[in-house]
Amino acid sequence: DTEVTQTPKHLVMGMTNKKSLKCEQHMGHRAMYWYKQKAKKPPELMFVYSYEKLSINESVPSRFSPECPNSSLLNLHLHALQPEDSALYLCASSQEHAAIYGYTFGSGTRLTVV
Amino acid sequence: AQTVTQSQPEMSVQEAETVTLSCTYDTSESDYYLFWYKQPPSRQMILVIRQEAYKQQNATENRFSVNFQKAAKSFSLKISDSQLGDAAMYFCASPSLTQGGSEKLVFGKGTKLTVNP
Repeated sequence: DTEVTQTPKHLVMGMTNKKSLKCEQHMGHRAMYWYKQKAKKPPELMFVYSYEKLSINESVPSRFSPECPNSSLLNLHLHALQPEDSALYLCASSQEHAAIYGYTFGSGTRLTVV
Repeated sequence: AQTVTQSQPEMSVQEAETVTLSCTYDTSESDYYLFWYKQPPSRQMILVIRQEAYKQQNATENRFSVNFQKAAKSFSLKISDSQLGDAAMYFCASPSLTQGGSEKLVFGKGTKLTVNP
């Protein structure tokens, strides 16, 4: 299995809703990432988990809450989002030496906040 | 810290022709890696090619090759025999170490490539 699987592919939620995005990989990668991508822009890093521990939080608002229950699974819990949070949310994973081997990305979740 | 710059927001090429996408970068590290990622309308970021800085030889993957000019800090992507399926956003990227020792991927702003039949 050489894929990063993200669910759901599309999500529409109201500003008072609570929802979660899910990311899964079975490549034995020990680092997992959440990126946010607005239209026609590059991805922006949100969080990095290394060996199931949060290692980078790029000053993301607390309405986004990441969770890494195990080495294969990464969640992003969403609560009280704003319309400007509408974007493509990409998950990625990498081996320990990501610089050498690169990153494997999922197809993303297209989030719309109404 | 790494910075990555792509100065061509859009490019177009005729099918079967060759196109070159530009990327420049800045880094304080002595050894580093550079990547080109492709993002088609399907949204998935796909690794096209990577280059290790200390390797003199330019990387090649089938129709994709790079022109790596270390002194000029330039890392351009050449696509030969362009195909309709090459149409996508192309991002130049490089890993950057954070103060905490973790690593993050820094992207350029991207170049949208259109392939005309």
